[in-house]
Amino acid sequence: DTAVSQTPKYLVTQMGNDKSIKCEQNLGHDTMYWYKQDSKKFLKIMFSYNNKELIINETVPNRFSPKSPDKAHLNLHINSLELGDSAVYFCASSKGVLSTEAFFGQGTRLTVV
Amino acid sequence: GQQVMQIPQYQHVQEGEDFTTYCNSSTTLSNIQWYKQRPGGHPVFLIQLVKSGEVKKQKRLTFQFGEAKKNSSLHITATQTTDVGTYFCAQGYSDKLIFGTGTRLQVFP
Repeated sequence: DTAVSQTPKYLVTQMGNDKSIKCEQNLGHDTMYWYKQDSKKFLKIMFSYNNKELIINETVPNRFSPKSPDKAHLNLHINSLELGDSAVYFCASSKGVLSTEAFFGQGTRLTVV
Repeated sequence: GQQVMQIPQYQHVQEGEDFTTYCNSSTTLSNIQWYKQRPGGHPVFLIQLVKSGEVKKQKRLTFQFGEAKKNSSLHITATQTTDVGTYFCAQGYSDKLIFGTGTRLQVFP
């Protein structure tokens, strides 16, 4: 069983579209994250979600919104996609926020054309 | 915002040579984690350091946490082609797990 699973693995879409990426973890963790990895491999945190509290990175455009139907899921919805949104998006989870290891999903490669 | 710088950004080595990446923070860290990301893969946890001056070893990998808890290093002895990837340090800060800029290691056979 995959601990943290993301779907889809690849996503190609046109500018202006709205898309969602799903993430599920079966580890019973309380904290989930979304990261964006650009072409230079920088891993930038977008959101962390801990016990129903959402921590937003202030640099993330409000076109991006996380949605958590329950503790095991944290989906990422993106409105009005732009070329600069092309990147690999990783979901991750951990027991706590600061002092325990994070488990990552396989990543979703988003290409906006 | 909080920044965690890593140097070097890239490192190319011949198989068998040693490799070191350094992680520097502008503030004192409560702990530091290290991750490895293989090409095309996802980050995978390697280790966590908590104590000032702590040194931990995993086979050919040696991890060190600075005395002032503001820096850390990862040293690989006698690199192998399987060590190829990007190595990240990460720190918990303000309810977020912040990753360093990463060091991309290429190993030539």
